[in-house]
Amino acid sequence: GQNIDQPTEMTATEGAIVQINCTYQTSGFNGLFWYQQHAGEAPTFLSYNVLDGLEEKGRFSSFLSRSKGYSYLLLKELQMKDSASYLCAVPQFAAAGNKLTFGGGTRVLVKP
Amino acid sequence: DAGVTQSPTHLIKTRGQQVTLRCSPKSGHDTVSWYQQALGQGPQFIFQYYEEEERQRGNFPDRFSGHQFPNYSSELNVNALLLGDSALYLCASRAGGNEQFFGPGTRLTVL
Repeated sequence: GQNIDQPTEMTATEGAIVQINCTYQTSGFNGLFWYQQHAGEAPTFLSYNVLDGLEEKGRFSSFLSRSKGYSYLLLKELQMKDSASYLCAVPQFAAAGNKLTFGGGTRVLVKP
Repeated sequence: DAGVTQSPTHLIKTRGQQVTLRCSPKSGHDTVSWYQQALGQGPQFIFQYYEEEERQRGNFPDRFSGHQFPNYSSELNVNALLLGDSALYLCASRAGGNEQFFGPGTRLTVL
């Protein structure tokens, strides 16, 4: 089975840095996704990590440690528009298809 | 490219009724998945369709059923609605790669 844990909520100040942690337990590993979801909207893709290490994309970076079952999403130079939920998800592939198992999401509130 | 589209946007039903939600995948995508997202939680996988067949199913009762059409669009049907079925229903499509693209969702409220 799959088990994914991430904090429920985090608060940070505009311009600051926030790190959202995600720990996972899976019966096979095929990478890890991070999605951003604004209230009432669809999740949008941020990153996909398969190999260990840090991947940077502008203000957002994602890190993976497969041996520790751990990932984090780093948001730098926070802006008000970054207030959203951030979802950690792992794909489970089967011969017939694949599905995403999500964590509960971390709601980030950016304050001025 | 219109991306993944879903209809309707919002829907209000009463307990015991039946509902049908619709999804059109992103152009070039042939696989459609449905997810249920309760308020304040992460999406939960319902099932996935490919080549007009249900390929994988999550832990949802038989009241949840679906269909995929030859043009790859899909429907999600829920019978005998319960209050707990109130949620955002998300459709996601992919074309064989790992990334799934999500539609804007249908907000279902069961009274």
